[in-house]
Amino acid sequence: DGGITQSPKYLFRKEGQNVTLSCEQNLNHDAMYWYRQDPGQGLRLIYYSQIVNDFQKGDIAEGYSVSREKKESFPLTVTSAQKNPTAFYLCASSGGGAALSGQPQHFGDGTRLSIL
Amino acid sequence: KQEVTQIPAALSVPEGENLVLNCSFTDSAIYNLQWFRQDPGKGLTSLLLIQSSQREQTSGRLNASLDKSSGRSTLYIAASQPGDSATYLCAVPATGTASKLTFGTGTRLQVTL
Repeated sequence: DGGITQSPKYLFRKEGQNVTLSCEQNLNHDAMYWYRQDPGQGLRLIYYSQIVNDFQKGDIAEGYSVSREKKESFPLTVTSAQKNPTAFYLCASSGGGAALSGQPQHFGDGTRLSIL
Repeated sequence: KQEVTQIPAALSVPEGENLVLNCSFTDSAIYNLQWFRQDPGKGLTSLLLIQSSQREQTSGRLNASLDKSSGRSTLYIAASQPGDSATYLCAVPATGTASKLTFGTGTRLQVTL
């Protein structure tokens, strides 16, 4: 079955540590996205990538970094510069390439990150 | 800047009732609008996507309408069931884009026996 796999499901970060969240998709989608979800708030876009080797900052990119070396993979690193990393992180993908309009976004099951 | 509002924030209905969830957005120049469902601790499941040229979309007991000129969409759920209990979110592309979505904060629905 095609879908988006996020791992791990739960992750704990120590002070000053960088952690990486994995996102893999086998839907052959060109575009991939990372969102952050906090209680009582809507999803907020961290980074997105429309094609391999290219990505753009979203609304809350500070303290995060990404790479897009393969079409299937879009890992997110939460750096020590992100002072409030505790949240639910969701990865999504959509087809359509550069056009992108009219393509629904499909989501993984998320990673819950907490601070130790 | 696109802003999305969903009312009500929470809703409890008895099984079998028909119900309407509301979504409003500030910038009517959108490419499409998408409705999602989110179960506790899970990711989002896409329910319906309405293109800007369409007025409604249907999938089973779900019907979503779109009125771009007034900046509103509604999700109609017919004959609600306990399994419909979840948070429902709507999302539209951010102003000037086709891909970056702006989400509402959702309506938390509980369907009781």
